[in-house]
Amino acid sequence: AQKITQTQPGMFVQEKEAVTLDCTYDTSDPSYGLFWYKQPSSGEMIFLIYQGSYDQQNATEGRYSLNFQKARKSANLVISASQLGDSAMYFCAMREGPQGTSYGKLTFGQGTILTVHP
Amino acid sequence: NAGVTQTPKFQVLKTGQSMTLQCAQDMNHEYMSWYRQDPGMGLRLIHYSVGAGITDQGEVPNGYNVSRSTTEDFPLRLLSAAPSQTSVYFCASGKIYEQFFGPGTRLTVL
Repeated sequence: AQKITQTQPGMFVQEKEAVTLDCTYDTSDPSYGLFWYKQPSSGEMIFLIYQGSYDQQNATEGRYSLNFQKARKSANLVISASQLGDSAMYFCAMREGPQGTSYGKLTFGQGTILTVHP
Repeated sequence: NAGVTQTPKFQVLKTGQSMTLQCAQDMNHEYMSWYRQDPGMGLRLIHYSVGAGITDQGEVPNGYNVSRSTTEDFPLRLLSAAPSQTSVYFCASGKIYEQFFGPGTRLTVL
C-alpha cells in the first residue's frame, strides 16, 4: 500500500489565487511528521513546511500553510496568492519515528506539478 | 555555512565501473541519507545514517554501499554500475523538523 498518495498529477492556478495540493498518508505509528518540498525545474529540493503528528495547530510558513486533518490522514498544502515562481513540482513526504530524536526516514509521494498562469 | 554539498554534479559511467558520490554537511546534523529520483517519480531512500558509525538500509539499497566515519561526510559507493542506476541522486541531512537536500548528482550509466 502507498504510504503517501498525491492524487493530482498536475494542477493549474491563476496568479494571485490560492491553490490546494492534496496529500494523504498511511501509517500506524502514532508519532510521525509530514513535510512538503518544492522542486523547481532546476532540480533542487526546497523544504517548505513541516507538521508533526502531535502538533495541535496547522503549520504555516509565509504563504504556505498545511491543512492537517489527522482523522482523515490528510496533509494538504495550501499556497495563498500564487506567484509565477511557484510553478514547480511539489512533493509530500512522511517521516515515521518518535519525535524528539533525529531518527527517521522520509517516504515521498509521486508529486504534483503546479503551473501558475499569469 | 555551505549546507549540504554533493560532488560531482554530473557523472557518466560504463556498466561495471565503480565510483563514489560524495556528500558533506556543515550543520552538525546527526541524520544523513541518500535518495534517488527517477523520471516522474518521488525520491526513494537508498541508505541512511543516524550518526557516525551507524548506517542502515532504505527502500532500494541493492548495488550501493555507505559508511559514516565522521558526522560531516556520508559517501555513497556504487560497486558495479548498472544502467538501472541511471538516476539523480540526492543527499540530505537534517533534524526532526527539517531535512535539507544537496543539489543532486545526475548519474548516467551506459
